[in-house]
Order: sequence, then structure tokens, then C-alpha cells
Amino acid sequence: AQRVTQPEKLLSVFKGAPVELKCNYSYSGSPELFWYVQYSRQRLQLLLRHISRESIKGFTADLNKGETSFHLKKPFAQEEDSAMYYCALRALNLILTGGGNKLTFGTGTQLKVEL
Amino acid sequence: GAGVSQSPSNKVTEKGKDVELRCDPISGHTALYWYRQSLGQGLEFLIYFQGNSAPDKSGLPSDRFSAERTGGSVSTLTIQRTQQEDSAVYLCASSSPPNTQYFGPGTRLTVL
Repeated sequence: AQRVTQPEKLLSVFKGAPVELKCNYSYSGSPELFWYVQYSRQRLQLLLRHISRESIKGFTADLNKGETSFHLKKPFAQEEDSAMYYCALRALNLILTGGGNKLTFGTGTQLKVEL
Repeated sequence: GAGVSQSPSNKVTEKGKDVELRCDPISGHTALYWYRQSLGQGLEFLIYFQGNSAPDKSGLPSDRFSAERTGGSVSTLTIQRTQQEDSAVYLCASSSPPNTQYFGPGTRLTVL
């Protein structure tokens, strides 16, 4: 079974400071990792996925298979980054065997960027 | 284009009553998912549809929960004999596998 852990429920940083939201996972097969974001009163939306290896809104995340981590980073936090962030895993092996591509989510980290 | 829609947006019910939650996926998306977002629990997978069939129901918490999908489009999640622990936000997502899942706004269920 797969599991995603986000150790911080709340992360508070000042505007302009670096941000790192931690995500660790456990899965014996090949994982695909995602970060989803939920801004206040908005629906959950995809922020980035490890396969794309792109930077979205200044955020990046690198999959570290050795440490089983997928931490989300941004060098300079902005006020508009305040939101709930969820790390999620999709088990690629299950997709290949027809098991579907359900997402396993962490419990989320509330990021608060203060002025 | 139109995104995933869900109705109702809010539902308050009494313990023991049945409720039905509806999801309209993005047109053309063959995969549909139901998740539950509880306070402090994050998002939990409930059930996955590919077309009208449900190859993965592993997340349904009890036999009080059921879901169906008709015409490869609209899905209904039914909770029978609701309990207070069923109170949560129920999220629906759709995708054209294996691509990104797009989420709806959710239905907030409160069981009194």
C-alpha cells in the first residue's frame, strides 16, 4: 500500500523568505508524485507533477527516490502563495495493470505568508 | 470550457437519513473519482469509475456507501443511514486517463 506523509500542518513564513513544504512517501513500486493547491474558497487544482519537471508560480519539486521525498520549494514566498498544499502519489504499477490511477494524498500543509 | 460540477454545494441532514450527491464530469472524460475530505484526515479515495464500471471500490468505508455512473457521464454517490462521522466535504474528479485529475468544488455534508 502507498502512503504520503506531510509532517507540517501549518507553515508560517514571511514574505520574501524561502519556503519548503515537506512530503515523504512510501511505495514499493514506481510512483508518480504531484502537488495540489487549494486557495481559499477555490477548488483543488494541480500545481505541478514530478514528470513534468517544470516550475509553476516559482515553485519546484524534485523527486528524490533515495530519500523517498518530493519537497516543494520556492525561493521567495509571496502573499498570494498562502493556501493549503497537498502532496499526492499515483501508483504507476497499478495503472499498467489496469488498477486505475487514484491519488493517495497527504494530510496537507497550510502555508501562511505574512507581510 | 466547463469544469467538473457537483451538487448540492451544501447538504445538511439528520442522522439516519439517506443522501445523494451528484457529480457532472468534464465532457469526454472517461475516468471519474470520488474522494472525501475530512477535518484533519486529508483527502481519502472512495471509488473510481472507468466508463460506467467501477474497477476500484476499495475506499468506500462501509456498505452504507454506494455509487453509480450512467451513460459514462454523471455519477451519484449515495450514503444510506447517515452517521455523524460521515460529515465531510465530498470531492469528485474526472480525467482522461492517465492525465491530470480535475476536481469539482465539492459538496459539504453535515450530519446532525
